Amino acid sequence: NAGVTQTPKFRILKIGQSMTLQCAQDMNHNYMYWYRQDPGMGLKLIYYSVGAGITDKGEVPNGYNVSRSTTEDFPLRLELAAPSQTSVYFCASSYVGMGNQPQHFGDGTRLSIL
Amino acid sequence: ILNVEQSPQSLHVQEGDSTNFTCSFPSSNFYALHWYRWETAKSPEALFVMTLNGDEKKKGRISATLNTKEGYSYLYIKGSQPEDSATYLCASARTSNFGNEKLTFGTGTRLTIIP
Repeated sequence: NAGVTQTPKFRILKIGQSMTLQCAQDMNHNYMYWYRQDPGMGLKLIYYSVGAGITDKGEVPNGYNVSRSTTEDFPLRLELAAPSQTSVYFCASSYVGMGNQPQHFGDGTRLSIL
Repeated sequence: ILNVEQSPQSLHVQEGDSTNFTCSFPSSNFYALHWYRWETAKSPEALFVMTLNGDEKKKGRISATLNTKEGYSYLYIKGSQPEDSATYLCASARTSNFGNEKLTFGTGTRLTIIP
């Protein structure tokens, strides 16, 4: 079982470059989430999606964009990379969007902006 | 309390000893409380999702309790083993006009078991 798959695992970007972090899940989950993890901080929600074609902002959406064209995929795009976006990014999914369902996480993407 | 707070931040426990740590969360508009176990270089893995005041859940040597009225949950590990070394995250979900699917995470308790 693949679960939630994130690619790449590591990436170094220069300031101003753009890139897309990929996230795919094979559990037929409707809800998907993007978080960032900074040292000493809890996971912060960037964007989430309640189903194909529907996305919404989380706590820290500035500088990011998302799309959800299929149930399986939820890519996160950085348009103009900034040093403040250096972080570890986690994608997660859940069967339904109720807070009483556990979230399933990918292994993370470690991103450095130099 | 408006945020989710966990204490202690880190903990070293001798192998075989039992231990516990705390998660404090907003008690207003409570919907659910999650516990995740996060091993280094791996992804967070769900341990428990709790919704009812007074709820107790158990998985092997790990158990958790929930007090929604005062806004806290305890995680207990009995007879610690080296494989219990991990960061334990808690997260709360609250009801709102916009749904209750979003979690607010604490910063975690980093547990190290000393052989």
